[in-house]
Amino acid sequence: DAKTTQPPSMDCAEGRAANLPCNHSTISGNEYVYWYRQIHSQGPQYIIHGLKNNETNEMASLIITEDRKSSTLILPHATLRDTAVYYCIVRVSNAGNNRKLIWGLGTSLAVNP
Amino acid sequence: NAGVTQTPKFRILKIGQSMTLQCTQDMNHNYMYWYRQDPGMGLKLIYYSVGAGITDKGEVPNGYNVSRSTTEDFPLRLELAAPSQTSVYFCASTPGLSSYNSPLHFGNGTRLTVT
Repeated sequence: DAKTTQPPSMDCAEGRAANLPCNHSTISGNEYVYWYRQIHSQGPQYIIHGLKNNETNEMASLIITEDRKSSTLILPHATLRDTAVYYCIVRVSNAGNNRKLIWGLGTSLAVNP
Repeated sequence: NAGVTQTPKFRILKIGQSMTLQCTQDMNHNYMYWYRQDPGMGLKLIYYSVGAGITDKGEVPNGYNVSRSTTEDFPLRLELAAPSQTSVYFCASTPGLSSYNSPLHFGNGTRLTVT
């Protein structure tokens, strides 16, 4: 699975949109982009995933560039409870390949009042 | 559904002691995983299982053993605890081949200190 690059830390004001970038320049055509977050050493929590179209759910939006070499996770109205480490991961759409996931250090997002 | 449940939440072991970290899920997921996370680091896969009776090594299996006698349970065994095994351990599950895009569901972890 392709590796990803994320900034180590970001800040965001409460109520504003948080835009978290991820670079995955070596992504293959059959690899999906997944986002998880980890709040204060709890277990990681799934946020969203996508292949090439932009995706939105109740938690966030995922914008994937046309060449698929990068993506942005958007939390539209960040709250203090969104303070967490956010992980961007790419993997082939095959359940067996969960074992090959590469978990980097993620982006530590601090939402400030 | 309780999801993925891990016990205990915290444990302190002396060097050379043994223990079993428990993990159970009530979602009828076929695939289960054990990860460890050292301070300030990403997750490392220890062992995984694709169904009852089937287990395989992940990236960092040394010093650990697993078993999968039922779909629900996937215990992780430390036989001779060492300080290098001080970490936070996470169990996760996912449906498997029937739902290949499904994300991982994680438990809330077991914090283990070996002194």
